[in-house]
Amino acid sequence: NAGVMQNPRHLVRRRGQEARLRCSPMKGHSHVYWYRQLPEEGLKFMVYLQKENIIDESGMPKERFSAEFPKEGPSILRIQQVVRGDSAAYFCASSPGLAGRVYNEQFFGPGTRLTVL
Amino acid sequence: RKEVEQDPGPFNVPEGATVAFNCTYSNSASQSFFWYRQDCRKEPKLLMSVYSSGNEDGRFTAQLNRASQYISLLIRDSKLSDSATYLCVVNYDYKLSFGAGTTVTVRA
Repeated sequence: NAGVMQNPRHLVRRRGQEARLRCSPMKGHSHVYWYRQLPEEGLKFMVYLQKENIIDESGMPKERFSAEFPKEGPSILRIQQVVRGDSAAYFCASSPGLAGRVYNEQFFGPGTRLTVL
Repeated sequence: RKEVEQDPGPFNVPEGATVAFNCTYSNSASQSFFWYRQDCRKEPKLLMSVYSSGNEDGRFTAQLNRASQYISLLIRDSKLSDSATYLCVVNYDYKLSFGAGTTVTVRA
């Protein structure tokens, strides 16, 4: 499967636990984006990463949320001490890069549905 | 004001009908524009990019009006498989801004 991979697809956590969401971009893509979709709402940008660099995390909550995209391995979105309000679908997208491109077409993974009990 | 606003619908149309809807965006510096479709809150899938001159892809036609800051999508000869939520998406730099979606239901 050459598409964007995310795991797990469903994750259940109790309040106060940690959630780790993983994303492997499409082959050849070096840019990763995370979005969150709350129930009955549109997708909201959270963070944009390239390998070993966070380019823009302006959409991330200031506390408890962090993201990384190491040199080797998938991108990780980490939520510490989860609360009920963190329950949402978290989508990862990837793109091949922006150099010389006007159209930033991003391709999405299947998402991780996080439920906090 | 939301960055991208869409009529949520739903638009209920019979098979074979034409349905059209649009969205407005607030950032006049936006650089590129897309329609995605989302089925049952699965991952959004790129339907088509929207170019300044307007463009067509089979039964789908997209228009962009930069002066009025709106984007439209028209679906001709609707199929049952067109039932979905259509997301209007606007790009500034690398950041995509999504509308909340317009729901279309095509009935037999």
